[in-house]
Amino acid sequence: LAKTTQPISMDSYEGQEVNITCSHNNIATNDYITWYQQFPSQGPRFIIQGYKTKVTNEVASLFIPADRKSSTLSLPRVSLSDTAVYYCLVGDNQGGKLIFGQGTELSVKP
Amino acid sequence: NAGVTQTPKFRVLKTGQSMTLLCAQDMNHEYMYWYRQDPGMGLRLIHYSVGEGTTAKGEVPDGYNVSRLKKQNFLLGLESAAPSQTSVYFCASSVRARAEAFFGQGTRLTVV
Repeated sequence: LAKTTQPISMDSYEGQEVNITCSHNNIATNDYITWYQQFPSQGPRFIIQGYKTKVTNEVASLFIPADRKSSTLSLPRVSLSDTAVYYCLVGDNQGGKLIFGQGTELSVKP
Repeated sequence: NAGVTQTPKFRVLKTGQSMTLLCAQDMNHEYMYWYRQDPGMGLRLIHYSVGEGTTAKGEVPDGYNVSRLKKQNFLLGLESAAPSQTSVYFCASSVRARAEAFFGQGTRLTVV
């Protein structure tokens, strides 16, 4: 399983775009990159998943460079309700393990 | 549409007592997981299952046992609770490998 490294915390203001980068230098060929969001006292919630280039959904975009050794979760025009912890997961999950790292605590201020 | 339901939501145990946490999912998912989350920390995988009748160890399995006798249920047991097991426990399920995982609301366990 590829180890991931994320910033421990980030601050932003309402209306700004937030980019959270995750490093995964030893990502394997079959590995996918998945991001989850967790609010206090709740279980994590799936945000987005990708393998290469760019993926976009109604919530976020995920940018993955050609070497796939890092990825960036982009949240457009954040609001106070986007204050949460964001986790980057890397793996193919073929063995069943779904491993979370430390996550990035995002604080959005008015 | 219940999704993933954990029982109970809160529990206080005395050291040495035993208990079982129940996770039930109604989505016909193959994969199920148990995590613990300590204050200010990320989730750590305790045990997981890739199908009915199967279980496997995660990152922190010591002191816990699990069973998956029915596809929809994943039980987590503490045979002799210790204060170090005070934590919030989350259960999750997914339809297959690499698919979106759905989480329960958590069980807050305190061992005194």
